[in-house]
Amino acid sequence: AQTVTQSQPEMSVQEAETVTLSCTYDTSESDYYLFWYKQPPSRQMILVIRQEAYKQQNATENRFSVNFQKAAKSFSLKISDSQLGDAAMYFCAYRTTSGTYKYIFGTGTRLKVLA
Amino acid sequence: GAGVSQSPSNKVTEKGKDVELRCDPISGHTALYWYRQSLGQGLEFLIYFQGNSAPDKSGLPSDRFSAERTGGSVSTLTIQRTQQEDSAVYLCASSAWTGDAFFGQGTRLTVV
Repeated sequence: AQTVTQSQPEMSVQEAETVTLSCTYDTSESDYYLFWYKQPPSRQMILVIRQEAYKQQNATENRFSVNFQKAAKSFSLKISDSQLGDAAMYFCAYRTTSGTYKYIFGTGTRLKVLA
Repeated sequence: GAGVSQSPSNKVTEKGKDVELRCDPISGHTALYWYRQSLGQGLEFLIYFQGNSAPDKSGLPSDRFSAERTGGSVSTLTIQRTQQEDSAVYLCASSAWTGDAFFGQGTRLTVV
């Protein structure tokens, strides 16, 4: 069975600085998707970025980018120029490409942004 | 609709009562998911519907939990004889066939 591990329960970053959130996963599959979701106090999960495992190029979305290391089964999220609005819980997630397309989530990292 | 809608937003119920949580997915989305998020925890998979296929119920924690999806659209998650450990936020998400999942704002269930 697939598992997702986020080993940082909480992180802090100074406004305008860069922070990296870690995620590792375990799977025997070769094709899958990885995601980072943001959950602000409103509770709604917001998709931040997606990475297809078959793509070697790391995904980027504005200030958000990932470092995808398939062999190491590592998928970290880098937030550049951190803003107060980035403060939230961040969840790493895995989704297979066959069978049930259910998402498997890590336990989350709470990001605090300091003014 | 414009997004995934869940109702009620908050629900307080007495131990032993039955509750129904509702999810209206994005129009046209064939897949629908239910997850449970206990305080300070990650998201626990409950059930997955995809089109007319048999749902994946592998995450339902006990036979007190059930879900249905009528007409391939609205879904209802029912918890019978609620227990205090059922207190959590219940999140619903929908997606196109293999597209990204979009989440609702969840229902916070408190069992007293």
